[in-house]
Amino acid sequence: QKEVEQNSGPLSVPEGAIASLNCTYSDRGSQSFFWYRQYSGKSPELIMFIYSNGDKEDGRFTAQLNKASQYVSLLIRDSQPSDSATYLCAVRSGGGADGLTFGKGTHLIIQP
Amino acid sequence: DAGITQSPRYKITETGRQVTLMCHQTWSHSYMFWYRQDLGHGLRLIYYSAAADITDKGEVPDGYVVSRSKTENFPLTLESATRSQTSVYFCASSEDRQPQHFGDGTRLSIL
Repeated sequence: QKEVEQNSGPLSVPEGAIASLNCTYSDRGSQSFFWYRQYSGKSPELIMFIYSNGDKEDGRFTAQLNKASQYVSLLIRDSQPSDSATYLCAVRSGGGADGLTFGKGTHLIIQP
Repeated sequence: DAGITQSPRYKITETGRQVTLMCHQTWSHSYMFWYRQDLGHGLRLIYYSAAADITDKGEVPDGYVVSRSKTENFPLTLESATRSQTSVYFCASSEDRQPQHFGDGTRLSIL
């Protein structure tokens, strides 16, 4: 059984600070890793994806992957109230035809 | 605009009825997926398809049927709806190793 674990939160971060979201996964053969943002009542929206060990930066977002530790993280710099949402970590074991295994999400609150 | 659309957005039905949720994408993506999202469980894969006429079961396929006669469409049918199938259903698509993109979802209530 493939599992993806996230702290459900809520994680409360002051506006302008760095929000750090973490995720661990059980399947050592996992190849692709994704972070989705989901506002209440809306669909998941892709924020970042990462396939190789290390860091990947896109604007205020940085994804970090450590396959040896089976750990993925998302950093959000200069957090804004609009970043308040649930963040879903998702893992894919194989190629594009494989479905995603999701964590239950971390609820992030950015305090103005 | 290109994208992925789901219909209906909201549906209320009764136990034992058949209901079909539609998913249409204009990207010509090869891969399509159905997920359900429930409190306490997160998103779980129901069925997926690698191409027209190729489908396979995901984590929670029982009680659902899919078909894919055309690349752009991937309908999900509940043959005899049960209350446990009350959920929010999301369709997604992707190409090659690229990330999946999701439709707006269908909120289904079974009374």
